Amino acid sequence: NAGVTQTPKFRVLKTGQSMTLLCAQDMNHEYMYWYRQDPGMGLRLIHYSVGEGTTAKGEVPDGYNVSRLKKQNFLLGLESAAPSQTSVYFCASSWLSSVDTQYFGPGTRLTVL
Amino acid sequence: AQSVAQPEDQVNVAEGNPLTVKCTYSVSGNPYLFWYVQYPNRGLQFLLKYITGDNLVKGSYGFEAEFNKSQTSFHLKKPSALVSDSALYFCAVRPPTIYGGSQGNLIFGKGTKLSVKP
Repeated sequence: NAGVTQTPKFRVLKTGQSMTLLCAQDMNHEYMYWYRQDPGMGLRLIHYSVGEGTTAKGEVPDGYNVSRLKKQNFLLGLESAAPSQTSVYFCASSWLSSVDTQYFGPGTRLTVL
Repeated sequence: AQSVAQPEDQVNVAEGNPLTVKCTYSVSGNPYLFWYVQYPNRGLQFLLKYITGDNLVKGSYGFEAEFNKSQTSFHLKKPSALVSDSALYFCAVRPPTIYGGSQGNLIFGKGTKLSVKP
């Protein structure tokens, strides 16, 4: 039981490049989330999903897209990376809602030059 | 605007002493309240939550928190701190759905760094 895993762990991009971050969970959770963590700002919700095939915007969705084609996977895409997207990205999942305990992945550290 | 405040960026405690990490919130209605901990280079781990019922909530690793509705606070406490408790602590709140909370809407504070010295 691996819990929540994230790929890759580190990445450096140039401005304008694109990439996809992959999140996978093996706990059969319905809800999945993408957060970004910036110094002194806590965690901010980017997008979330309440089930396979559904996605919704969080607090800071601009510049990101997501897909939840399979229940266990939640992908975060950056179509044209900007330096403001330099951050640590965390994926999380929970059983049926955000009131349930959220389980977090180890994070992806992204630097955009 | 709905928000969570952790007024202290850092809390320093000697090992064996009690610790308190403060959290206040500004949310309509009765919110759902959480504490998470983050160790260096790791994701967040759940400590405890308040949904309803007894105002004193006990969680993992000997931590507890008290919901105080009149003071809109949810301070994290531990009677005797350990060096291994040193980490970044986040308070989070989910407003009730009727007051604008959504299924994804968990609002995090900025975090408090706890340092426990031997």
